[in-house]
Formats: sequence, structure tokens, C-alpha cells
Amino acid sequence: DAGVTQSPTHLIKTRGQQVTLRCSPKSGHDTVSWYQQALGQGPQFIFQYYEEEERQRGNFPDRFSGHQFPNYSSELNVNALLLGDSALYLCASSQRGVYNEQFFGPGTRLTVL
Amino acid sequence: GEDVEQSLFLSVREGDSSVINCTYTDSSSTYLYWYKQEPGAGLQLLTYIFSNMDMKQDQRLTVLLNKKDKHLSLRIADTQTGDSAIYFCAETRGRGADGLTFGKGTHLIIQP
Repeated sequence: DAGVTQSPTHLIKTRGQQVTLRCSPKSGHDTVSWYQQALGQGPQFIFQYYEEEERQRGNFPDRFSGHQFPNYSSELNVNALLLGDSALYLCASSQRGVYNEQFFGPGTRLTVL
Repeated sequence: GEDVEQSLFLSVREGDSSVINCTYTDSSSTYLYWYKQEPGAGLQLLTYIFSNMDMKQDQRLTVLLNKKDKHLSLRIADTQTGDSAIYFCAETRGRGADGLTFGKGTHLIIQP
């Protein structure tokens, strides 16, 4: 049983560009959450998707958007990249209603130059 | 101030017990978690505790929760070199519905 998978592993972009990160949840999970982890910091919650809708959002600007597909996989899109968007982006999956056990993927390391 | 606070570093000798502490501010926190992150890796869920519990034990791990003081601790018995990592405390109010709020993490350093 594969756990949470994310692609790509690493990504380098320049300021002003747009990026799309992908996540496949653990088998049996229907909820996907995205987090941003800056160097030396704890992860910060971006948003959560369930039933193809954004259900909750953290304190992130509208440049951060997402999508969930019928197979529960998800994408995170970031527009107009800033240097400060450089971070590890983590995807976590969970089964709604099951004690919020969120399982994390290995992350995508985004570098903005 | 921070919603979840942790000490940044803890150094222990191999074979000793490690105790990692965390304080949180949200009195409506329902679930509290401990995650482990090794270099270059994602987060591994170690254990969690409901706010109506005060202790949970799982093999070498013991979680203690003092809800009155909003204090959570993780004790690792017989600490090994493989326990060297960053440990994050996290909380949420939801049940499968809320994002997690994390602390900045505690670097656990194991001395031989």
C-alpha cells in the first residue's frame, strides 16, 4: 500500500512564474491538506480539500490555489512566485471523521530564484 | 504570540530518556500530535492524544497532557541514535476537518 506521494521532488522557478505541485493521497483517504515549511520552521497550513472543494484555509494569499480530483488526488498552484515562496511543500492525507490522523508525503522542495 | 511553542534543542545521552515539551494556547484544542522529521524527509506521525486523556503510552513513547496548563510532553525511553530528528508538536480543534497548527520543532541530539 503506497503512502502519500508527491511530485516533483524538487523544482526551481524564477520570480513571477507559476508552479503546480501534485499529491496522491494514501489509499482509502479522501481528504488532502497542503502545508508550507520554510527552512527552520514548522509546517504552516495552507488549505484542505474534501469532496473536491476547499473546506478550510490558512493565512495564505489568493496566489495559492488548489484543486482536488474525483480520485482524491490534489494539486497546489502558486502564481506570481516570490522569493519567499521558497520552501518545502508538504501534502497530507486523512480519512474524514477518523480522528484527523494526517499522514504526510515526502514533500516538494521549491526554490524560487 | 505563537500558538504552539517548543524548545529548539534537546541533547541527551544514548540510553537515557528524552523528554520533549510543548505548550499551546488554544483551549479548544481537541487533538494533539507528535510528529518526527528526519533530514530531507517528510513528517512521520508518532502518536496523538485526545484532549480528554491525560496520558498515552505506545512502546517507548509516553505522551502526557496537562490540559489545565496547556502543556504536552513526549517521553522517549532508552533513546537511540535513530531517534535523532526534529520533533514537532501540533494541535487541531477538528475531527478530520481542520488543518494542524505546528510548533517550530525540537532538534533532538543524541550524544554517544
